[in-house]
Amino acid sequence: EDQVTQSPEALRLQEGESSSLNCSYTVSGLRGLFWYRQDPGKGPEFLFTLYSAGEEKEKERLKATLTKKESFLHITAPKPEDSATYLCASYNYGGSQGNLIFGKGTKLSVKP
Amino acid sequence: DAGVTQSPTHLIKTRGQQVTLRCSPKSGHDTVSWYQQALGQGPQFIFQYYEEEERQRGNFPDRFSGHQFPNYSSELNVNALLLGDSALYLCASRSMNYGYTFGSGTRLTVV
Repeated sequence: EDQVTQSPEALRLQEGESSSLNCSYTVSGLRGLFWYRQDPGKGPEFLFTLYSAGEEKEKERLKATLTKKESFLHITAPKPEDSATYLCASYNYGGSQGNLIFGKGTKLSVKP
Repeated sequence: DAGVTQSPTHLIKTRGQQVTLRCSPKSGHDTVSWYQQALGQGPQFIFQYYEEEERQRGNFPDRFSGHQFPNYSSELNVNALLLGDSALYLCASRSMNYGYTFGSGTRLTVV
Protein backbone atom coordinates (compact mmCIF):
# COMPACT_ATOMS: atom_id res chain seq x y z
CA GLU A 1 0.00 0.00 0.00
CA ASP A 2 1.29 3.44 -0.96
CA GLN A 3 2.14 5.45 2.14
CA VAL A 4 3.68 8.79 3.06
CA THR A 5 4.97 9.43 6.58
CA GLN A 6 6.14 12.78 7.94
CA SER A 7 8.25 13.50 11.01
CA PRO A 8 8.29 15.08 13.44
CA GLU A 9 4.57 15.74 13.98
CA ALA A 10 5.39 19.07 15.57
CA LEU A 11 8.54 21.19 15.72
CA ARG A 12 9.18 24.28 17.81
CA LEU A 13 12.11 26.48 16.81
CA GLN A 14 13.54 29.77 17.92
CA GLU A 15 13.83 32.43 15.26
CA GLY A 16 17.05 31.80 13.33
CA GLU A 17 17.36 28.16 14.44
CA SER A 18 17.69 26.04 11.28
CA SER A 19 16.21 22.55 11.05
CA SER A 20 14.82 19.91 8.68
CA LEU A 21 11.49 18.20 8.19
CA ASN A 22 11.35 14.61 6.94
CA CYS A 23 8.97 12.91 4.51
CA SER A 24 9.46 9.20 3.84
CA TYR A 25 7.46 7.45 1.16
CA THR A 26 6.66 3.89 0.23
CA VAL A 27 4.99 3.97 -3.18
CA SER A 28 4.77 1.73 -6.18
CA GLY A 29 6.25 4.24 -8.58
CA LEU A 30 6.91 7.88 -7.80
CA ARG A 31 6.10 10.44 -10.47
CA GLY A 32 6.57 13.45 -8.25
CA LEU A 33 6.92 14.53 -4.61
CA PHE A 34 5.11 17.71 -3.62
CA TRP A 35 5.61 20.03 -0.67
CA TYR A 36 2.81 22.32 0.48
CA ARG A 37 2.42 24.88 3.23
CA GLN A 38 -0.93 25.11 5.01
CA ASP A 39 -2.03 27.88 7.35
CA PRO A 40 -4.87 27.19 9.83
CA GLY A 41 -8.28 26.93 8.13
CA LYS A 42 -6.77 27.46 4.67
CA GLY A 43 -6.04 25.25 1.70
CA PRO A 44 -2.52 23.94 0.99
CA GLU A 45 -0.23 26.39 -0.80
CA PHE A 46 2.17 24.87 -3.32
CA LEU A 47 5.89 25.12 -2.52
CA PHE A 48 7.88 22.60 -4.58
CA THR A 49 7.68 19.58 -6.86
CA LEU A 50 10.61 17.14 -7.02
CA TYR A 51 10.75 14.48 -9.71
CA SER A 52 13.92 12.44 -9.31
CA ALA A 53 16.43 11.41 -6.66
CA GLY A 54 19.16 13.99 -6.21
CA GLU A 55 16.97 16.90 -7.24
CA GLU A 56 16.96 20.03 -5.07
CA LYS A 57 14.80 23.16 -5.18
CA GLU A 58 15.04 26.38 -3.18
CA LYS A 59 12.71 29.24 -2.35
CA GLU A 60 13.76 31.93 0.10
CA ARG A 61 14.57 30.15 3.41
CA LEU A 62 13.32 26.76 2.20
CA LYS A 63 15.17 24.02 0.34
CA ALA A 64 13.64 20.68 -0.63
CA THR A 65 15.68 17.59 -1.49
CA LEU A 66 14.73 14.11 -2.69
CA THR A 67 16.29 10.66 -2.34
CA LYS A 68 14.90 7.30 -3.45
CA LYS A 69 13.09 6.82 -0.13
CA GLU A 70 12.58 10.24 1.43
CA SER A 71 12.46 13.97 1.02
CA PHE A 72 13.66 16.71 3.32
CA LEU A 73 12.48 20.27 3.70
CA HIS A 74 15.34 22.32 5.12
CA ILE A 75 14.47 25.61 6.80
CA THR A 76 17.37 28.04 7.18
CA ALA A 77 17.16 30.84 9.76
CA PRO A 78 13.37 30.62 10.08
CA LYS A 79 11.17 33.60 10.94
CA PRO A 80 7.87 33.61 12.87
CA GLU A 81 5.98 33.99 9.58
CA ASP A 82 7.26 30.53 8.57
CA SER A 83 4.99 29.05 11.25
CA ALA A 84 2.53 26.72 9.50
CA THR A 85 1.86 23.04 8.82
CA TYR A 86 4.04 21.62 6.08
CA LEU A 87 2.57 18.77 4.05
CA CYS A 88 4.27 16.44 1.63
CA ALA A 89 2.43 14.35 -0.92
CA SER A 90 3.37 11.75 -3.50
CA TYR A 91 1.99 11.49 -7.00
CA ASN A 92 2.40 7.99 -8.29
CA TYR A 93 2.20 5.53 -11.11
CA GLY A 94 0.15 2.45 -10.39
CA GLY A 95 -2.95 2.02 -8.24
CA SER A 96 -3.18 5.54 -6.84
CA GLN A 97 -2.38 7.20 -10.13
CA GLY A 98 -4.20 10.45 -10.60
CA ASN A 99 -4.31 11.62 -7.02
CA LEU A 100 -2.01 12.83 -4.29
CA ILE A 101 -1.21 10.78 -1.19
CA PHE A 102 -0.52 13.09 1.72
CA GLY A 103 1.32 12.66 4.96
CA LYS A 104 -0.20 14.01 8.16
CA GLY A 105 2.04 17.04 8.12
CA THR A 106 4.58 18.69 10.41
CA LYS A 107 3.31 21.64 12.44
CA LEU A 108 6.12 24.18 12.66
CA SER A 109 6.11 26.94 15.28
CA VAL A 110 8.83 29.61 15.16
CA LYS A 111 9.12 31.81 18.23
CA PRO A 112 10.70 35.27 18.11
CA ASP B 1 -5.91 35.28 -12.52
CA ALA B 2 -8.29 33.71 -10.04
CA GLY B 3 -7.17 30.50 -8.43
CA VAL B 4 -9.47 27.72 -7.28
CA THR B 5 -12.70 29.09 -5.80
CA GLN B 6 -14.83 27.14 -3.34
CA SER B 7 -18.21 27.92 -1.85
CA PRO B 8 -19.49 28.20 0.76
CA THR B 9 -16.56 28.82 3.12
CA HIS B 10 -18.39 27.50 6.17
CA LEU B 11 -21.46 25.30 6.61
CA ILE B 12 -23.31 23.79 9.54
CA LYS B 13 -25.63 20.84 8.91
CA THR B 14 -27.59 18.38 11.02
CA ARG B 15 -27.02 14.62 10.99
CA GLY B 16 -28.97 12.94 8.21
CA GLN B 17 -29.11 16.01 6.00
CA GLN B 18 -27.59 16.39 2.57
CA VAL B 19 -25.00 18.98 1.50
CA THR B 20 -23.60 20.29 -1.79
CA LEU B 21 -20.21 21.98 -2.04
CA ARG B 22 -19.05 23.86 -5.12
CA CYS B 23 -15.71 24.42 -6.83
CA SER B 24 -14.55 26.54 -9.74
CA PRO B 25 -11.13 25.44 -11.00
CA LYS B 26 -8.21 27.67 -11.87
CA SER B 27 -8.37 29.10 -15.37
CA GLY B 28 -6.90 26.64 -17.87
CA HIS B 29 -7.37 23.63 -15.59
CA ASP B 30 -9.67 20.81 -16.70
CA THR B 31 -9.32 18.21 -13.95
CA VAL B 32 -10.85 18.59 -10.51
CA SER B 33 -10.16 16.48 -7.42
CA TRP B 34 -11.86 16.59 -4.03
CA TYR B 35 -10.15 15.89 -0.70
CA GLN B 36 -11.39 15.58 2.87
CA GLN B 37 -9.14 16.85 5.65
CA ALA B 38 -10.04 15.99 9.23
CA LEU B 39 -8.55 18.07 12.02
CA GLY B 40 -4.87 17.31 12.50
CA GLN B 41 -4.71 14.99 9.49
CA GLY B 42 -3.47 15.25 5.94
CA PRO B 43 -5.99 15.54 3.09
CA GLN B 44 -7.58 12.27 1.96
CA PHE B 45 -8.52 11.77 -1.69
CA ILE B 46 -12.26 11.42 -2.38
CA PHE B 47 -12.51 11.41 -6.19
CA GLN B 48 -11.35 13.05 -9.39
CA TYR B 49 -13.33 14.36 -12.36
CA TYR B 50 -12.15 14.84 -15.92
CA GLU B 51 -14.30 15.40 -19.00
CA GLU B 52 -17.42 15.32 -16.81
CA GLU B 53 -16.74 11.77 -15.63
CA GLU B 54 -15.48 10.34 -12.35
CA ARG B 55 -12.05 8.95 -13.23
CA GLN B 56 -10.73 7.80 -9.86
CA ARG B 57 -12.19 7.27 -6.44
CA GLY B 58 -10.67 6.94 -3.00
CA ASN B 59 -11.93 4.87 -0.11
CA PHE B 60 -15.17 6.77 0.53
CA PRO B 61 -18.74 5.39 0.64
CA ASP B 62 -21.20 6.12 -2.13
CA ARG B 63 -22.88 8.70 0.12
CA PHE B 64 -20.19 10.88 -1.44
CA SER B 65 -20.95 11.74 -5.05
CA GLY B 66 -19.94 14.42 -7.46
CA HIS B 67 -20.42 16.09 -10.77
CA GLN B 68 -18.39 18.08 -13.24
CA PHE B 69 -19.98 20.57 -15.60
CA PRO B 70 -18.95 21.51 -19.16
CA ASN B 71 -17.20 24.64 -17.83
CA TYR B 72 -15.04 22.31 -15.64
CA SER B 73 -16.62 23.47 -12.37
CA SER B 74 -17.56 20.72 -9.96
CA GLU B 75 -19.86 19.82 -7.09
CA LEU B 76 -19.41 17.45 -4.18
CA ASN B 77 -22.58 16.00 -2.67
CA VAL B 78 -22.77 14.17 0.63
CA ASN B 79 -25.98 12.40 1.66
CA ALA B 80 -27.12 11.18 5.06
CA LEU B 81 -24.50 13.24 6.90
CA LEU B 82 -22.71 11.71 9.87
CA LEU B 83 -20.88 13.49 12.67
CA GLY B 84 -17.66 12.01 11.26
CA ASP B 85 -18.17 13.89 8.01
CA SER B 86 -17.19 17.10 9.80
CA ALA B 87 -14.00 18.25 8.08
CA LEU B 88 -12.38 20.74 5.73
CA TYR B 89 -13.30 19.81 2.15
CA LEU B 90 -10.69 20.84 -0.38
CA CYS B 91 -10.97 21.12 -4.12
CA ALA B 92 -7.85 20.93 -6.27
CA SER B 93 -7.52 21.52 -9.98
CA ARG B 94 -4.76 20.76 -12.43
CA SER B 95 -3.87 20.76 -16.06
CA MET B 96 -1.96 18.16 -18.06
CA ASN B 97 1.35 19.03 -16.38
CA TYR B 98 -0.24 17.73 -13.13
CA GLY B 99 0.59 20.74 -11.00
CA TYR B 100 -2.15 20.83 -8.36
CA THR B 101 -3.68 24.08 -7.09
CA PHE B 102 -5.91 23.95 -4.02
CA GLY B 103 -8.79 26.15 -2.99
CA SER B 104 -9.23 27.51 0.53
CA GLY B 105 -11.76 24.82 1.34
CA THR B 106 -15.23 24.53 2.82
CA ARG B 107 -15.42 23.90 6.57
CA LEU B 108 -18.35 21.52 7.14
CA THR B 109 -19.63 20.99 10.67
CA VAL B 110 -22.23 18.29 11.28
CA VAL B 111 -24.16 18.58 14.54
